[in-house]
Amino acid sequence: GENVEQHPSTLSVQEGDSAVIKCTYSDSASNYFPWYKQELGKGPQLIIDIRSNVGEKKDQRIAVTLNKTAKHFSLHITETQPEDSAVYFCAASTIVGYGGATNKLIFGTGTLLAVQP
Amino acid sequence: GAGVSQSPRYKVTKRGQDVALRCDPISGHVSLYWYRQALGQGPEFLTYFNYEAQQDKSGLPNDRFSAERPEGSISTLTIQRTEQRDSAMYRCASSPNPGSEQYFGPGTRLTVT
Repeated sequence: GENVEQHPSTLSVQEGDSAVIKCTYSDSASNYFPWYKQELGKGPQLIIDIRSNVGEKKDQRIAVTLNKTAKHFSLHITETQPEDSAVYFCAASTIVGYGGATNKLIFGTGTLLAVQP
Repeated sequence: GAGVSQSPRYKVTKRGQDVALRCDPISGHVSLYWYRQALGQGPEFLTYFNYEAQQDKSGLPNDRFSAERPEGSISTLTIQRTEQRDSAMYRCASSPNPGSEQYFGPGTRLTVT
């Protein structure tokens, strides 16, 4: 079955620096890759996602890149701020829409990002 | 607008008791997912519905776990004869359509004593 590996498990950066989190997936059929931010005591919050027909997507200070050949994708956060501190999860899924198949997300193990003021 | 809600937020039960966890998805969302999240790990898939139809239950650990969504909106995850190993955060997510983005609720923290 699908397996998603995520690195690093912890990341500490200075405010204003960039942070990069990397994930690899095993199932070449995977075609949807969301990133979630989870703050203490809260549920995962979707921050950005990318589909396999796109190589890069940006939303203000965050961006995600996808390399289908190498089966890895990365989250980039620029100009980090203390409020970016949280656990970040990558996930992968094989989206088939309706028709009885699952569209479940397979999650990585998470990265604890600490932004030092 | 209102997000995904779950109740209760915390549930403490004794080993052997049955529990029912409720999920209210975002209004109009077709798909509903249940996940279980252990401390320090990512959510792990349990089961999935489109409307009222359970499309995939491959993640349910054993036959003590069941889920339903009878009217295609609210869903209930039931655990019978609870065991200590069932203690975890149970999360529900919904999406507008199959394959679109999933929005998570705050979760139910289940503790089995």
